[in-house]
Amino acid sequence: DGGITQSPKYLFRKEGQNVTLSCEQNLNHDAMYWYRQDPGQGLRLIYYSQIVNDFQKGDIAEGYSVSREKKESFPLTVTSAQKNPTAFYLCASGRDTSTEAFFGQGTRLTVV
Amino acid sequence: GQNIDQPTEMTATEGAIVQINCTYQTSGFNGLFWYQQHAGEAPTFLSYNVLDGLEEKGRFSSFLSRSKGYSYLLLKELQMKDSASYLCAVRYSGGYQKVTFGTGTKLQVIP
Repeated sequence: DGGITQSPKYLFRKEGQNVTLSCEQNLNHDAMYWYRQDPGQGLRLIYYSQIVNDFQKGDIAEGYSVSREKKESFPLTVTSAQKNPTAFYLCASGRDTSTEAFFGQGTRLTVV
Repeated sequence: GQNIDQPTEMTATEGAIVQINCTYQTSGFNGLFWYQQHAGEAPTFLSYNVLDGLEEKGRFSSFLSRSKGYSYLLLKELQMKDSASYLCAVRYSGGYQKVTFGTGTKLQVIP
């Protein structure tokens, strides 16, 4: 079945540690995105990629990094520089950046 | 800015009709999406409007007025499973057709 998969669903890390969130899609989509969702706020764009080997900063990229070495994969690293990393992270993909997005199930990251 | 405004919460009765409104800034507008998100789950795509008028998809319809910067999502014959957050997202012209999400409307359907 085609879809977009994020793992793990829940993740706990100690403050000061980097952590990488996985996102894989087999929909043959060119565009991929990472969003962060906090209570009472809309989804905020962290990074996006329109095509393999290319990515751009979104609205809140500070403290995060990504790579897009393969079309199917768009991992997000939350670095120790991110001041408030505890959040629900959503990965999404789309045929291109002008069409609707298909979301993964999300990873809830808790930093203690 | 590109503020998108939606009511925070709404309550409606099973079997009834509910309308969820969304207003947005019109400058650079290039399309509007509605997504449904159940608690703790991924948003799922419901509808897309770029031209004025009503788009109907089964129990769900979405309306757009470009000149007024206004959209609504209409849910008919409400079911308990419709209890969820409904996210309005607007695409603006720009480098990658930037999409901005509203904070969402949490709908509770009661018996």
